[in-house]
Order: sequence, then C-alpha cells, then structure tokens
Amino acid sequence: GIQVEQSPPDLILQEGANSTLRCNFSDSVNNLQWFHQNPWGQLINLFYIPSGTKQNGRLSATTVATERYSLLYISSSQTTDSGVYFCAASLQGGSEKLVFGKGTKLTVNP
Amino acid sequence: NAGVTQTPKFRVLKTGQSMTLLCAQDMNHEYMYWYRQDPGMGLRLIHYSVGEGTTAKGEVPDGYNVSRLKKQNFLLGLESAAPSQTSVYFCASSQAPGNYGYTFGSGTRLTVV
Repeated sequence: GIQVEQSPPDLILQEGANSTLRCNFSDSVNNLQWFHQNPWGQLINLFYIPSGTKQNGRLSATTVATERYSLLYISSSQTTDSGVYFCAASLQGGSEKLVFGKGTKLTVNP
Repeated sequence: NAGVTQTPKFRVLKTGQSMTLLCAQDMNHEYMYWYRQDPGMGLRLIHYSVGEGTTAKGEVPDGYNVSRLKKQNFLLGLESAAPSQTSVYFCASSQAPGNYGYTFGSGTRLTVV
C-alpha cells in the first residue's frame, strides 16, 4: 500500500516565525489532505489538495503530484497553531481509504 | 449543524467485555470511516463504508466489527475487548469520492484493563 512520510517529526517555533512541513508519498495519489489536531484532540481538515496550491489565511499548501510530495506553509505562527499536523493520502484508482503519516508536532512558544 | 458526533466520549472496559461505539453524521455523506489513533502511530483505518448497507475492512480490522444499517450511522463493535484495543477512536465521513475532504468526530477514548 501507499506509504506516507512526514518531516520533521517535531518543530518548535517562536510566535511570529514561519515554517514548512513536508509530506512525501510513495505512489500516485487521487486524494491528499492536511489535518490539524489541536491539543484537545480535535482533528480539523485544513486542505484537500491532490495537486496545485491553495491558501487559507496564514496557511497554504502545495502538492507536486509528479514528484510525490506536498508542503504545508504556516506564516506568522501563533500559539493557537500548536498541535499535530497530519498529511493523509489515498491511491489513485483506489477507494477513498486515506493513509495517514505519523504527523509533525508543532509547538509555538509566546 | 452538528457534523459528526461520536458516543461515548470516554469508556473503561474490562478485558473480555463488549461494547459498541456510535458515529452519527448529519451531512448526508456517503462514506464513513473508523480510525484508531495510538501514540506515535498516526491514525490507522479499522473499517469503512461506502454507503448504507456496505462495509469493508481497513488496515487493522481484527477484533472489530461494524454495521451501517442507516446512512447517517456507523457502528463499531468490540466483541471481546483486549488491552491492545486501548486507543482513541475517531469516526469520519466524506461525500462521494472526488473533491471532498473528511470531517472527523471528536473521538472516543477507550481504556481496556
């Protein structure tokens, strides 16, 4: 099955800093999503982005499907950005079974 | 709009006991999923459903059963709980395959002693 790898596993920032999170996947995908899990455990869908670039406020994401990676950019980070960011993907031609990476734990200090 | 609702939120079971976790969605989504989350493991798919009356196995289905008798509900059952099933369980739903993201419930924290 598809392999999804995220880096870095941990990231500590000062408030106001920018960051880039990376997601590599092993096969062609038809579904690529980014999620944020807040410190209370709630999972929030950030982006559905199998290809191209999207932006939502201070967050943006880019997926280069031909090179099998996706990037999540966080600009001007805030303490509320803390939590774990997951990338998840499913195979092209397969069902909607998302496979999750192990996540990047982000800590933003005031 | 409640989205995806999971009950219960917390539960402690003794080894060998059974229980059912309920997931309900009010978005008329076709697809529903059960995941478990363990420390350092990310989320792993247990079972999923592509529509009312259908179910299929995911990555880690052993020890679990599911049913989707109504489109809005997806039940996860543990027939004989084991300590290895201590985990946080998440339900999610999505519209038909295509350009749609997942919506997750708030999770059920299950401890098997």
